[in-house]
Amino acid sequence: SQQGEEDPQALSIQEGENATMNCSYKTSINNLQWYRQNSGRGLVHLILIRSNEREKHSGRLRVTLDTSKKSSSLLITASRAADTASYFCATEAGQAGTALIFGKGTTLSVSS
Amino acid sequence: NAGVTQTPKFRVLKTGQSMTLLCAQDMNHEYMYWYRQDPGMGLRLIHYSVGEGTTAKGEVPDGYNVSRLKKQNFLLGLESAAPSQTSVYFCASSRRETQYFGPGTRLLVL
Repeated sequence: SQQGEEDPQALSIQEGENATMNCSYKTSINNLQWYRQNSGRGLVHLILIRSNEREKHSGRLRVTLDTSKKSSSLLITASRAADTASYFCATEAGQAGTALIFGKGTTLSVSS
Repeated sequence: NAGVTQTPKFRVLKTGQSMTLLCAQDMNHEYMYWYRQDPGMGLRLIHYSVGEGTTAKGEVPDGYNVSRLKKQNFLLGLESAAPSQTSVYFCASSRRETQYFGPGTRLLVL
């Protein structure tokens, strides 16, 4: 069964606006990762946040993690048309490298 | 560096036929994975390997077999394809937590 649940399922915004996606999970984790998938392509790793971290930044990305609520959020600031993609959260609960459990994803559409 | 490559890119099978999907990585990663992705779904893990000569079952292993005879290659086999196996298959590899994905193989089983 899938561990992560992203919310919303779909999000449409204008260029320059911020996009926020949320992820909830069920069990204790070692880390939570966000991946992007452009239409018809493989997934690309965006950012990893460990269970002992609360916030992390990478360029226009900001990720937060609240282990007490078993939830994470991904914020993309100043969105561009090129950010149009599906975004997935993935959790790792076991030994490093053993398996990631992915959510169903949020489809982001950024129009110019 | 080619990263993770998958062969073939697209295939059509008839029910009952067999085939092997090949995944290759040139990053010297220990871990390799096979996922399937169905419409509106995230990725579901089929099988994975933590090193050459080892394999383990993931969430949805039924109907698939795998082999990791060489560190750089991870093969996914379908012995008798079924329409329920129509999907996009992704291979990934990792050194630790971050996974690197191939471009995918689109499989249609009629």
